[in-house]
Amino acid sequence: EAGVTQFPSHSVIEKGQTVTLRCDPISGHDNLYWYRRVMGKEIKFLLHFVKESKQDESGMPNNRFLAERTGGTYSTLKVQPAELEDSGVYFCASSTPGRGNEQFFGPGTRLTVL
Amino acid sequence: QQQVKQSPQSLIVQKGGIPIINCAYENTAFDYFPWYQQFPGKGPALLIAIRPDVSEKKEGRFTISFNKSAKQFSLHIMDSQPGDSATYFCAAYSFGNEKLTFGTGTRLTIIP
Repeated sequence: EAGVTQFPSHSVIEKGQTVTLRCDPISGHDNLYWYRRVMGKEIKFLLHFVKESKQDESGMPNNRFLAERTGGTYSTLKVQPAELEDSGVYFCASSTPGRGNEQFFGPGTRLTVL
Repeated sequence: QQQVKQSPQSLIVQKGGIPIINCAYENTAFDYFPWYQQFPGKGPALLIAIRPDVSEKKEGRFTISFNKSAKQFSLHIMDSQPGDSATYFCAAYSFGNEKLTFGTGTRLTIIP
């Protein structure tokens, strides 16, 4: 069974540009989560989808971040316009319904904003 | 405000030693405490987890000790091996809001 995949693995952009990160969860996992780790700090929750619906987006930093999960399969996280403080590693995780305590993580996308 | 505090930030242990990583939490609504292991270039992977109604859980060489009254829990790695070198994250989870709250991570190095 394929794990959670994320694309790209690395992205380097200039301040003010737009970047879109993609996550493909494990097949059959209705729960999809986005997290971010900035500069060696803790991994912080961004938001949680149940199928295509946003269950909790309390961790989204500001309105420059837009997450979507059309059709309840893969998800995208767009940052527009990117700022220096958005640099970090963005992780996606997924879990089966009712098993949000057992989340499977992707390898992450390392975003560098110059 | 950091809800889960983890220490130490880094740890170097001789092969065969017992590294111990400590975490403390504030929110009593947390009811599940997992540890994640992350190797370079990979995502965090669930290693072992405990619920607050037990004081200890062992899986192979990995043991979680849990102190509910002190709101602290720790990971012990018995007979540590160089292959255990990784970053370890403690986390806390509430079945009520379904999101993981992580500590800052411990970079563990096991030297041969």
